[in-house]
Amino acid sequence: VQLVESGGGLVKPGRSLRLSCTASGFSFPDDALSWFRQAPGKGLEWVGFIRSTPAGGETEFGASVRGRFTISRDDSKNIAYLQMDSLNTDDSAVYYCTRVFRGGWYPDYWGQGTLVTVSS
Amino acid sequence: ETTLTQSPAFLSAAPGDRVNISCRADQDLDDDLNWYQRKPGEAAIFIIQDASTLVPGISPRFSGSGYGTDFTLTINNIQSEDAAYYFCLQHDNFPWTFGQGTKVEI
Repeated sequence: VQLVESGGGLVKPGRSLRLSCTASGFSFPDDALSWFRQAPGKGLEWVGFIRSTPAGGETEFGASVRGRFTISRDDSKNIAYLQMDSLNTDDSAVYYCTRVFRGGWYPDYWGQGTLVTVSS
Repeated sequence: ETTLTQSPAFLSAAPGDRVNISCRADQDLDDDLNWYQRKPGEAAIFIIQDASTLVPGISPRFSGSGYGTDFTLTINNIQSEDAAYYFCLQHDNFPWTFGQGTKVEI
């Protein structure tokens, strides 16, 4: 199993950014994916998840990003996306993509992360 | 939302030492707590599931214990390759929450 995040970078406050999570080594449509983030010097924070396609592909988000972030998936490409709008400086963090283990409903495999810096 | 208090934030150990990392919850989690290891620039690795079950393929030098609100990750005979950031995650209730993490130096 491998998860590779991409798309991070420097973005100005109020702008948007889309992160990608490219997956391999498992049956992508059948698993939920989740995004987490870790700001410098802080602990990890759950951002949101997208359920598997058989489960309807529904999404849920943490309170700090709800209404600004969306998650989608392209099962034909084995990619999950995190669309981040109306970014602010508090969104600066390393963003991680994970697979959600079906047997326990928690992250098992992680990506190496991609850095997002929101600054003017 | 469950708060996890992880300690210490940093520890330095010598090869061969036994080290303990604590994760305390502010509510009963049963055994719904996992431990992960992350090295700089690498993906985090899942090492302990459900408080005490070693994930297949993980060195048996790692062990987990605890139930309810107090949990411990133990690394026996610590080696240089164990230098990493370790964090706990609770999956008893949503949202998932994490301890603040422990940086282990060898």
